[in-house]
Amino acid sequence: QQQVKQSPQSLIVQKGGIPIINCAYENTAFDYFPWYQQFPGKGPALLIAIRPDVSEKKEGRFTISFNKSAKQFSLHIMDSQPGDSATYFCAAPPDSGGGADGLTFGKGTHLIIQP
Amino acid sequence: GAGVSQSPRYKVTKRGQDVALRCDPISGHVSLYWYRQALGQGPEFLTYFNYEAQQDKSGLPNDRFSAERPEGSISTLTIQRTEQRDSAMYRCASSSEQEYEQYFGPGTRLTVT
Repeated sequence: QQQVKQSPQSLIVQKGGIPIINCAYENTAFDYFPWYQQFPGKGPALLIAIRPDVSEKKEGRFTISFNKSAKQFSLHIMDSQPGDSATYFCAAPPDSGGGADGLTFGKGTHLIIQP
Repeated sequence: GAGVSQSPRYKVTKRGQDVALRCDPISGHVSLYWYRQALGQGPEFLTYFNYEAQQDKSGLPNDRFSAERPEGSISTLTIQRTEQRDSAMYRCASSSEQEYEQYFGPGTRLTVT
């Protein structure tokens, strides 16, 4: 049974700062690790995802860093803006099967970017 | 194109009643997932389909929960004899055959009174 531990539970950062959210997982049969962003009253929206064989992926101001040996991955938000204030979820695939299987999500990080 | 749609958006039912929640995936997406999300928590996997075949139902809490996708498109999650503990946001997601990215719908907020 996959388990995902996400930290911190909440985070407050000044505008322009670099919030970092961390996730740790147990064993996976497939390396695919997405991050989702969720605003109040909305569904989770896919933000960025990393696939096998790379240790970092950047999309705009968002970066995923992946440490396979430590079974950890993290989300960095560069030049953070108040509009980035949301709840962020990491997810991991199950410990058997493929990348199309159901995901296990972390408990979420409530991020506030102060103006 | 249109995203994942779910209906109804809100459902209030009395304990003991059956409810059916509908999900219409993104056109052309072959995989469809059901999750349940409690307030302040991440989505919890329930079950998923590839085309019309149910691949994994290990996340369904008990035998009161069932899902189907008879024609490989629209899916229905049915909860029989609802209980108050079933109250939650039920979310559907879909993904295409060649990709792993799952795209979520707006959810159905179920309240059992």
